[in-house]
Amino acid sequence: EVQLVESGGGLIQPGGSLRLSCAASGFTFSTFWMHWVRQAPGQGLVWVSRIHGDGTSTMYADSVKGRFTISRDNAKNTLYLQMNSLRAEDTAVYYCARANNGYDYWGQGTLVTVSS
Amino acid sequence: DIVMTQSPDSLAVSLGERATINCKSSQSILYSSNNWNYLAWYQQRPGQPPKLLIHWASTRESGVPDRFSGSGSGTDFTLTISSLQAEDVAVYYCHQYYSSPYTFGQGTKLEI
Repeated sequence: EVQLVESGGGLIQPGGSLRLSCAASGFTFSTFWMHWVRQAPGQGLVWVSRIHGDGTSTMYADSVKGRFTISRDNAKNTLYLQMNSLRAEDTAVYYCARANNGYDYWGQGTLVTVSS
Repeated sequence: DIVMTQSPDSLAVSLGERATINCKSSQSILYSSNNWNYLAWYQQRPGQPPKLLIHWASTRESGVPDRFSGSGSGTDFTLTISSLQAEDVAVYYCHQYYSSPYTFGQGTKLEI
């Protein structure tokens, strides 16, 4: 059974940093592009970042470029999102998702709240 | 960026009736080399992550009831629920995976 489990969210002050993790199981992790998608409270879905299966290619939304870094450890079947210089507008539930003709599997999400 | 615009923003449909949600992309998301539309539909129930219903604009995911269907090509797409059930109450999103940034529609809230 495919599972994606995010962790690492929490309350953080503006300007702070957090690292999100997404533990994957039930599939050959290294063969799939993985993405982060976020959803602000009561709002819609917004794509954040993606990474190739081998970790060599990454891409970011303009809103997070230069502040967020996506990475993966295929030996640990884990996806990461390092978030620096956090702003109030980064407050959201962050989902990791497997890319397979759309996003066929999603985690349950981890809430990041940026507030003083 | 490709802008995805859904209509309506909300929709109330009686049980057993048909629900139709539209999605328009600001540019074509039909890839000419394979003739596939890079369009997906998701259902999101309260407190849950999105669930993929349809990809390639009209291919239903395994396990998705056949009352859900997708149609359209190029820039105009439709999700149809042929006979609304109580468990279909949710927000529905269209999503283009044709090019980065991979944008979503604003969502359509479906109520009974």
